Amino acid sequence: GAVVSQHPSRVICKSGTSVKIECRSLDFQATTMFWYRQFPKQSLMLMATSNEGSKATYEQGVEKDKFLINHASLTLSTLTVTSAHPEDSSFYICSALEAAAHRTQYFGPGTRLLVL
Amino acid sequence: AQSVTQLGSHVSVSEGALVLLRCNYSSSVPPYLFWYVQYPNQGLQLLLKYTSAATLVKGINGFEAEFKKSETSFHLTKPSAHMSDAAEYFCAVEYSSASKIIFGSGTRLSIRP
Repeated sequence: GAVVSQHPSRVICKSGTSVKIECRSLDFQATTMFWYRQFPKQSLMLMATSNEGSKATYEQGVEKDKFLINHASLTLSTLTVTSAHPEDSSFYICSALEAAAHRTQYFGPGTRLLVL
Repeated sequence: AQSVTQLGSHVSVSEGALVLLRCNYSSSVPPYLFWYVQYPNQGLQLLLKYTSAATLVKGINGFEAEFKKSETSFHLTKPSAHMSDAAEYFCAVEYSSASKIIFGSGTRLSIRP
């Protein structure tokens, strides 16, 4: 089946720094990718929809200037958490939409971000 | 707006017993419905997906779910629980026009020896 990878799997950074998380579709092209955030013992909350070659669409309440999304190719989307603060510590999960008949979303393994 | 509600944040069953995790959806149009499983510190794994082809959907690991339009439900079942089934389970609905997936709050399944 289709595989989506995320890098890094875990990152610890100091408050005020920026962190970039990569999401790659390994064996299929994804014109659309999604970014989710999951706080401990909570569900996944959709942050934004990333479309290849165009600006991302952010969900209500998500700061686009803080969470920069770039979808420069059909297999890569990046999420940059700018000027990270401890409250940004969370589990970030991406998914990639396979643009085939089944239009199935495949999820990455997630990135654990801890901001000190 | 479409939404999905999972009844029971925590379900505990004995090994070998029936597993029933409840999910109800709210949708004005026939939705795509999903069940995902998440093990600790891992991403999501698709258990099964309803796309209107059949009301009873069989998934991996012996799970299945039945779409009941009259009850707007999509409950997940497994006849006999295994210890390895202990995990967090999420029901989800997809906006067919935008491919956005909205997740329920999740149900943590515990298995008693």
